[in-house]
Amino acid sequence: KAGVTQTPRYLIKTRGQQVTLSCSPISGHRSVSWYQQTPGQGLQFLFEYFSETQRNKGNFPGRFSGRQFSNSRSEMNVSTLELGDSALYLCASSFTVSGANVLTFGAGSRLTVL
Amino acid sequence: DQQVKQNSPSLSVQEGRISILNCDYTNSMFDYFLWYKKYPAEGPTFLISISSIKDKNEDGRFTVFLNKSAKHLSLHIVPSQPGDSAVYFCAAIGSFGNEKLTFGTGTRLTIIP
Repeated sequence: KAGVTQTPRYLIKTRGQQVTLSCSPISGHRSVSWYQQTPGQGLQFLFEYFSETQRNKGNFPGRFSGRQFSNSRSEMNVSTLELGDSALYLCASSFTVSGANVLTFGAGSRLTVL
Repeated sequence: DQQVKQNSPSLSVQEGRISILNCDYTNSMFDYFLWYKKYPAEGPTFLISISSIKDKNEDGRFTVFLNKSAKHLSLHIVPSQPGDSAVYFCAAIGSFGNEKLTFGTGTRLTIIP
């Protein structure tokens, strides 16, 4: 079956702009988690959605938001972009609320903020 | 506050030798640990896991050891192969609520042919 699909794969924005990233989970998976990967920081948890509800949220400012649709697809939005938002944004899905379940990651969306 | 730490950002190992990747954690409530492997331009993929009720789990060339008293786990790869060159992340989670997976900063392993 198809894996986790993230779009776009690469994008360049300028400071102050906003960006929306999309994630299509594995068919049948109802949980979608988002992570930010930057050099030296590893994978930082952004949020998790399950059945259209945010189940958990990391320590990111309110400029970072997300949502999940009834078909389990998820989007994350970053408003008023800052240079430090340049990162690889990874989406992961699992059948249930992630917990100790193995996450299946997409290839990521690499965002560059100029 | 980095609750899961991988203190070695990089490691180089000769092909055929043993690779040992280390991970330390500070939260004693973590009770399940996982290792993920990441190639460039790909998302991380699950490698192996261990529950806190065990001190060792083995899967082929990969073995994870857990020392709860030291809050330390390690991943052993033997023998190391060129295809093992990747970034390895350890991750931890506790069953104390609606928790999320906490990842370390990663170790870049390079296998030298």
